[in-house]
Amino acid sequence: KAGVTQTPRYLIKTRGQQVTLSCSPISGHRSVSWYQQTPGQGLQFLFEYFSETQRNKGNFPGRFSGRQFSNSRSEMNVSTLELGDSALYLCASSSGDRSEKLFFGSGTQLSVL
Amino acid sequence: AQSVTQLDSQVPVFEEAPVELRCNYSSSVSVYLFWYVQYPNQGLQLLLKYLSGSTLVKGINGFEAEFNKSQTSFHLRKPSVHISDTAEYFCAVIAFFGNEKLTFGTGTRLTIIP
Repeated sequence: KAGVTQTPRYLIKTRGQQVTLSCSPISGHRSVSWYQQTPGQGLQFLFEYFSETQRNKGNFPGRFSGRQFSNSRSEMNVSTLELGDSALYLCASSSGDRSEKLFFGSGTQLSVL
Repeated sequence: AQSVTQLDSQVPVFEEAPVELRCNYSSSVSVYLFWYVQYPNQGLQLLLKYLSGSTLVKGINGFEAEFNKSQTSFHLRKPSVHISDTAEYFCAVIAFFGNEKLTFGTGTRLTIIP
């Protein structure tokens, strides 16, 4: 069974640009969550999509948005990039059951210059 | 609202020595508890989880954790660590019911000294 796939693995952008990250969940999983990981801050929840609907949202500005397609693949978009957006962005998929574990991808390392 | 505190940001331990990584949580309702591990340049993977029943939970790679409701703790332990245990460890909590998402602690970096 293929794991969670995130593309691209590394990304370098400049301030003001926008970026789109992609996540393909494990087959059969309907829930996809996105996290931002930075040193010292741990994992900050961005949002969760379940069956194409945003089910939960973290405390990030509107520049951060996402969507989920009918095949459960998800994309995350960040517009007007800032230096502070440099981070590892992790995607995780699950069945959607709260007691079930999350399966994480290896992440996209975004550097904003 | 729920929260997780991992007081130790870094823990150095000699190889073959025991280790305990501390995790305390706060929640007004019953919760599920998890420990995840992140190896360098990888995503997180589940070590173990507590849902209900026995308070001592055994996970992969020889790790175990004990749920203590009165102290609202879920400390992770291993009796003898190996170089390959070098990683970052995250404790996480989610309420049984409701809309709150899985909440992670800030992580503990475990460094094994040969």
